[in-house]
Amino acid sequence: NAGVTQTPKFQVLKTGQSMTLQCAQDMNHEYMSWYRQDPGMGLRLIHYSVGAGITDQGEVPNGYNVSRSTTEDFPLRLLSAAPSQTSVYFCASSLRGAGETQYFGPGTRLLVL
Amino acid sequence: AQKITQTQPGMFVQEKEAVTLDCTYDTSDPSYGLFWYKQPSSGEMIFLIYQGSYDQQNATEGRYSLNFQKARKSANLVISASQLGDSAMYFCAMRESAGGSFKTIFGAGTRLFVKA
Repeated sequence: NAGVTQTPKFQVLKTGQSMTLQCAQDMNHEYMSWYRQDPGMGLRLIHYSVGAGITDQGEVPNGYNVSRSTTEDFPLRLLSAAPSQTSVYFCASSLRGAGETQYFGPGTRLLVL
Repeated sequence: AQKITQTQPGMFVQEKEAVTLDCTYDTSDPSYGLFWYKQPSSGEMIFLIYQGSYDQQNATEGRYSLNFQKARKSANLVISASQLGDSAMYFCAMRESAGGSFKTIFGAGTRLFVKA
């Protein structure tokens, strides 16, 4: 049981490049989400999904796209990277419910030059 | 709208003493959950404790307890008998039902330093 996995662990991009951050979970969780954490700050919600085929925006969605074609996977796409997107990105999953604990992946550290 | 406030950017505590980390929240949703997470210097997010909005008793998990005061909209984390390994960032989070969206928001965090 791997839990929540994220790849890559670290990535350097040039401004304008695109990339996809991968997230997968093997706990059959309906709910998945992406957060970014900037230095010295809390986590801010980018996008989330309550099930396959259903996604919605969080607090800071601009510059990011998501899709959810399967229960297991929830990739985050940066279409044209900007230095302001330099951050640590966390993926999380849980069952649906206000009382359900989210389980986090190890994070992806992204540097945009 | 959802809001979480952690007013203590940093806290110091002597080893073996208790410490309280503050968290206040704002929501109009009657059904919500409150969570505390620990983030050590290695960066992973570790779940510590959960309190439901309808729970009558304060949650406890080992050395962690949550002082839940619903009328004051506060959910403070109490760590008893602090250990050096408790030095980390601590985040308070709230999850609303909000029509099935179950969005979770986080506070800015409190960095705890445990002194030997």
